[in-house]
Amino acid sequence: DAGVTQSPTHLIKTRGQQVTLRCSPKSGHDTVSWYQQALGQGPQFIFQYYEEEERQRGNFPDRFSGHQFPNYSSELNVNALLLGDSALYLCASSFGPSDTQYFGPGTRLTVL
Amino acid sequence: QKEVEQNSGPLSVPEGAIASLNCTYSDRGSQSFFWYRQYSGKSPELIMFIYSNGDKEDGRFTAQLNKASQYVSLLIRDSQPSDSATYLCAVNGAELRGSNYKLTFGKGTLLTVNP
Repeated sequence: DAGVTQSPTHLIKTRGQQVTLRCSPKSGHDTVSWYQQALGQGPQFIFQYYEEEERQRGNFPDRFSGHQFPNYSSELNVNALLLGDSALYLCASSFGPSDTQYFGPGTRLTVL
Repeated sequence: QKEVEQNSGPLSVPEGAIASLNCTYSDRGSQSFFWYRQYSGKSPELIMFIYSNGDKEDGRFTAQLNKASQYVSLLIRDSQPSDSATYLCAVNGAELRGSNYKLTFGKGTLLTVNP
């Protein structure tokens, strides 16, 4: 049973650049949620995708955008990177928007 | 008032002891409550979830929920050094508020189990 997978594992970018992170949900799951976890903090909700639509969004600027594909995989895009965007980006999948969420291994983004 | 609060610790217990981790939340309409374990440099791993008032046991772990007090806790019996990690409390919002399915996390409690 394949779990949640994310790519890449690590990423280094410079300020102003754009980045795309990818997530494949656990087998049988159809909902993907994205979280940002800064060092020493709990994960912060960015947004959730279900049926290829953004269903809910946290307090993140429009620089953060996403997409869900027909196979339920998802992408997180961040434009005009800031130093403060350096964090662990976590993808969580679930069977439906309200079901228990299981996390992938994360992508560590460093912005220089 | 923070939405989900946890004592950041560190909480240090000897091997074999009971570790008690606590969490309070502000949204009275919250429906679902989760405990995740996060080892340093890794992603959160689900330990338990609880929806109803009372206790729920799974092996060495017991989750306790008191909605009237807006309080949820996790007890780890017979603590092992391998339990040393950060424990994150997460709360799922009320469906009454309109598809509020996001998880709101506390900052986590660092637990150290000493051999």
